[in-house]
Amino acid sequence: AQSVTQLGSHVSVSEGALVLLRCNYSSSVPPYLFWYVQYPNQGLQLLLKYTSAATLVKGINGFEAEFKKSETSFHLTKPSAHMSDAAEYFCAVSRTGGGNKLTFGTGTQLKVEL
Amino acid sequence: DAGVTQSPTHLIKTRGQQVTLRCSPISGHKSVSWYQQVLGQGPQFIFQYYEKEERGRGNFPDRFSARQFPNYSSELNVNALLLGDSALYLCASGLSQADTQYFGPGTRLTVL
Repeated sequence: AQSVTQLGSHVSVSEGALVLLRCNYSSSVPPYLFWYVQYPNQGLQLLLKYTSAATLVKGINGFEAEFKKSETSFHLTKPSAHMSDAAEYFCAVSRTGGGNKLTFGTGTQLKVEL
Repeated sequence: DAGVTQSPTHLIKTRGQQVTLRCSPISGHKSVSWYQQVLGQGPQFIFQYYEKEERGRGNFPDRFSARQFPNYSSELNVNALLLGDSALYLCASGLSQADTQYFGPGTRLTVL
C-alpha cells in the first residue's frame, strides 16, 4: 500500500520568505510523487511530479521539490513567497508516472502575510 | 482548449435520495477518474474509466457507481445518500489511464 503524510495542516509565511511544505511517503514499490495546489472553490492543479528522471523537480510558479529516498521525503519549496501562493497544497503518490489512482495527503493550507 | 467540465456546480439533496454527477473530459482524453474530497481532507479515489471500461475502484460502497459513454464523458451515481456523502466530487481526465490527469472544478454536493 502507498501513503503520504503531510506535516503541518497550516503553514504561515511572510511575503518574500522561503516556503517549505513537508511530505513523507510510504511505498513498497518505487513511488511516483506529485504536488497539487487547490485555490478556493477550484479543482486541483498539478504543480510538479517526480517520475524518477531527476531527484530535483522544478514545477510551475517557481516551486520545486526534491526526492530523497533515504528520508522518504518529497518536500515542496519556493524561495520567495508571493501573496498569490496562498492556497491548499496536496502531496500525492501513485504507481504510475501519470498519476493514476492517486493517494493524497490531508493537505497543507499555506497563508502568506504581508 | 476547454478543460475538464463538471455539472452541476452545486446541488443539495436529502438523505435517501439519489444523485447523478456529470463530467466532460478534455477533448481527446479517453480516461476519466472520480475523486471524493470531504471538507478538510485530501481527495479520495473512487473510480477510473478508460475506453468505457472500469479500470480501478477505490474503497467505496456499492451505492457508488459510474459509467463512461462513447464520447468519453462520464457520470457518477450515488444512491441512498447519507450525510457523510456531502463533499466536493472531482473529475479528472487523461489521454490514457497512465497519463497525467487534469482535474475539473468539482461538484459540491450537500446532503441534508
